[in-house]
Amino acid sequence: NAGVMQNPRHLVRRRGQEARLRCSPMKGHSHVYWYRQLPEEGLKFMVYLQKENIIDESGMPKERFSAEFPKEGPSILRIQQVVRGDSAAYFCASSPQRQSLQETQYFGPGTRLLVL
Amino acid sequence: AQSVTQLDSHVSVSEGTPVLLRCNYSSSYSPSLFWYVQHPNKGLQLLLKYTSAATLVKGINGFEAEFKKSETSFHLTKPSAHMSDAAEYFCVVIDMDSSYKLIFGSGTRLLVRP
Repeated sequence: NAGVMQNPRHLVRRRGQEARLRCSPMKGHSHVYWYRQLPEEGLKFMVYLQKENIIDESGMPKERFSAEFPKEGPSILRIQQVVRGDSAAYFCASSPQRQSLQETQYFGPGTRLLVL
Repeated sequence: AQSVTQLDSHVSVSEGTPVLLRCNYSSSYSPSLFWYVQHPNKGLQLLLKYTSAATLVKGINGFEAEFKKSETSFHLTKPSAHMSDAAEYFCVVIDMDSSYKLIFGSGTRLLVRP
């Protein structure tokens, strides 16, 4: 059973360009979380999605950031008009069902975004 | 609201000596707590989790953690450090007020000296 897949692993963008980060959850998992890790910091929650639904986006910046998890295909985190402050590692985690006290989130290897 | 505080940003030990990484939590509920490890430029790997069963939790690679309600602590220990243990360690609590998302501590970088 393949783990959580993220691509690309590294992404370089110039200021003002768009960044699209993809996450394929583990087989059988229908819940996806995105986290951001700024340099020298812990991970911070961004958004929680279920297939075709955004459940909680309380950690997403109000502008330029969006996320989706379509019925078919990977979850996408999209950052429009990137700025240098968006440089970070973005991690996706998946779980088989609605997170509970018993469920574990399984993390992907992350996408490291560098904005020049 | 739930939160975790990692008391040390860096811990340095000699190979073969014990490891202690400290974590205190704050929670209105009986918390679910985790320790994750992150090797340089890698993803996160679950070391162990506490979900209100046994208070002493054994994890992978010889790590264990003890849940102490009276001290609101969940410290991570290992009897003998190995060079391969050098990494960043995160104490994590589930946010039971909202979506069960994970709340991370700021991390402790473990250095292992030969």
